[in-house]
Amino acid sequence: AQSVTQLDSQVPVFEEAPVELRCNYSSSVSVYLFWYVQYPNQGLQLLLKYLSGSTLVKGINGFEAEFNKSQTSFHLRKPSVHISDTAEYFCAVSDFAGTASKLTFGTGTRLQVTL
Amino acid sequence: GAVVSQHPSRVICKSGTSVKIECRSLDFQATTMFWYRQFPKQSLMLMATSNEGSKATYEQGVEKDKFLINHASLTLSTLTVTSAHPEDSSFYICSARDAKRGSNEQFFGPGTRLTVL
Repeated sequence: AQSVTQLDSQVPVFEEAPVELRCNYSSSVSVYLFWYVQYPNQGLQLLLKYLSGSTLVKGINGFEAEFNKSQTSFHLRKPSVHISDTAEYFCAVSDFAGTASKLTFGTGTRLQVTL
Repeated sequence: GAVVSQHPSRVICKSGTSVKIECRSLDFQATTMFWYRQFPKQSLMLMATSNEGSKATYEQGVEKDKFLINHASLTLSTLTVTSAHPEDSSFYICSARDAKRGSNEQFFGPGTRLTVL
């Protein structure tokens, strides 16, 4: 069984400031890791994913995340946020168990960017 | 590429009626599709996994007779909420996995807002 913990339900930040959204996971097998963004009344858009290789993953909109196996973390970062980054962010994990493997989502972090 | 559409985007119905939601993969073949439910300000809860040509696999606690899932082709899955009641009001999101990609990545539709009066 897998689980994802997003410790912060809300993160307020001023525009142009850096931000880190935390994600920790637990799994008994190797995993794929994802960050999704959801704007109000919309579906999920993939920001970035870790499959293998370099532990620093760069995504869209200037976001990046670092996979840390020893700490079982996959924190999302952006050096300078914009008002348009205000949204809900979900961390998710999927195992390697073939095409039927499922995504397990965290509870989400609401990023609120203000002037 | 990898676009998933849902129809309708919003539906309001009376209690006791049935509602069908369509999920389509527009530019790829999806052997597996997933249906999620999302309550306000909460995460996505997986309802069922749908495989083309076979019966859906429902998560524990999801009534399969109430939430009928059909995946008749490689590009279309439907979710029918039968005899809908106000507690079924929610945001329903589907996703699809591209069989040709090996990353387990799911591509999400824009969601359907169901309101049952």
